[in-house]
Amino acid sequence: GEDVEQSLFLSVREGDSSVINCTYTDSSSTYLYWYKQEPGAGLQLLTYIFSNMDMKQDQRLTVLLNKKDKHLSLRIADTQTGDSAIYFCAESISGGYQKVTFGIGTKLQVIP
Amino acid sequence: DGGITQSPKYLFRKEGQNVTLSCEQNLNHDAMYWYRQDPGQGLRLIYYSQIVNDFQKGDIAEGYSVSREKKESFPLTVTSAQKNPTAFYLCASRRGDKGNSPLHFGNGTRLTVT
Repeated sequence: GEDVEQSLFLSVREGDSSVINCTYTDSSSTYLYWYKQEPGAGLQLLTYIFSNMDMKQDQRLTVLLNKKDKHLSLRIADTQTGDSAIYFCAESISGGYQKVTFGIGTKLQVIP
Repeated sequence: DGGITQSPKYLFRKEGQNVTLSCEQNLNHDAMYWYRQDPGQGLRLIYYSQIVNDFQKGDIAEGYSVSREKKESFPLTVTSAQKNPTAFYLCASRRGDKGNSPLHFGNGTRLTVT
């Protein structure tokens, strides 16, 4: 079955790097996504990675995928107070209906 | 600018009343989705529609209904049969092709039922 797990909370100092981790269980996942949610708003797509890739970098964001361990991470370099939000990991599974399963979300708190 | 519009942002209703949440997209996406978000529970899928005039139940469809008469619109009705309707509701869409295109979200509607 499909299940996506994340830790609930992460606190970092402004300027440091943040690493948010995620594990998933379905080996047939094809795409893995990271979304950001600010208070009272919808989810904003940050980045995504295809399951045959190991790494993807996009400005301050680096996504690492360990397919063997089913582990996904999002690294935010030089974390800013504007990065404070909830970050969701999600997996998309191929099939007649491409179901997207979300993790519970990790709340990132950036301390000035 | 293309996007997904949910309205209203805040909605208050008395228990026992049906209420309809609006979702409109101008992204020309085929597939549309409704999710419910509760604190500490992440996102749960209520209904989805891959094409006009067709929709399917998600994981928590009981007490909800939808329609998809137009490609751009996917309204959600929260009926009086939904036992715990107070929540944050998110509408999303995507191209619906087989390439696993990402979901795009609206800004949500917060429904409070008293």
